[in-house]
Amino acid sequence: EAGVAQSPRYKIIEKRQSVAFWCNPISGHATLYWYQQILGQGPKLLIQFQNNGVVDDSQLPKDRFSAERLKGVDSTLKIQPAKLEDSAVYLCASRDGAGGAVYGYTFGSGTRLTVV
Amino acid sequence: DAKTTQPTSMDCAEGRAANLPCNHSTISGNEYVYWYRQIHSQGPQYIIHGLKNNETNEMASLIITEDRKSSTLILPHATLRDTAVYYCIVRVASSGNTPLVFGKGTRLSVIA
Repeated sequence: EAGVAQSPRYKIIEKRQSVAFWCNPISGHATLYWYQQILGQGPKLLIQFQNNGVVDDSQLPKDRFSAERLKGVDSTLKIQPAKLEDSAVYLCASRDGAGGAVYGYTFGSGTRLTVV
Repeated sequence: DAKTTQPTSMDCAEGRAANLPCNHSTISGNEYVYWYRQIHSQGPQYIIHGLKNNETNEMASLIITEDRKSSTLILPHATLRDTAVYYCIVRVASSGNTPLVFGKGTRLSVIA
């Protein structure tokens, strides 16, 4: 099966600019996650969707970050305006809604954002 | 989920066994130990999981101490492709779609 697709792979922007990332999960996976991974740290959850609804966005900096999954398939994550500390890899993961063991999570390769 | 402690980094010679330790002294009876790894420029990938018995699959072996307070991931014949960050995660198996919570992991460098 096709994996989780993310684009772009790399993005360099100046601070205060805006940027958007796109994620296409595995077909049929109802749950989608966005993680932020700062260099040298493990991934940190930003937001979780179940179909097109938000399950958990408690760690999303809502003053500058937004995310949507309008049709319950693809998702976009936006940052506006970007700050230097937003430089990180943004990972998307998906999982089918039937539950099951922890190996059911599939991650994309991420988007590496550099804010200068 | 219980907290885990892992060494920051380890080296291993190519072809030798890599033994990655993880401490989880506050693990509770219904929590499993899971291992994921993240190769450079990729997302995390599942390796193996276990409750209290030792487990083995095509990628690795997992040894869990009798008191379940620590475990060791074993890559029996490490190759250069095993160079990655390895994450030990403890959580209840029936957590459903709750997200994975990652620590800093162990950076394993396999040296030729």
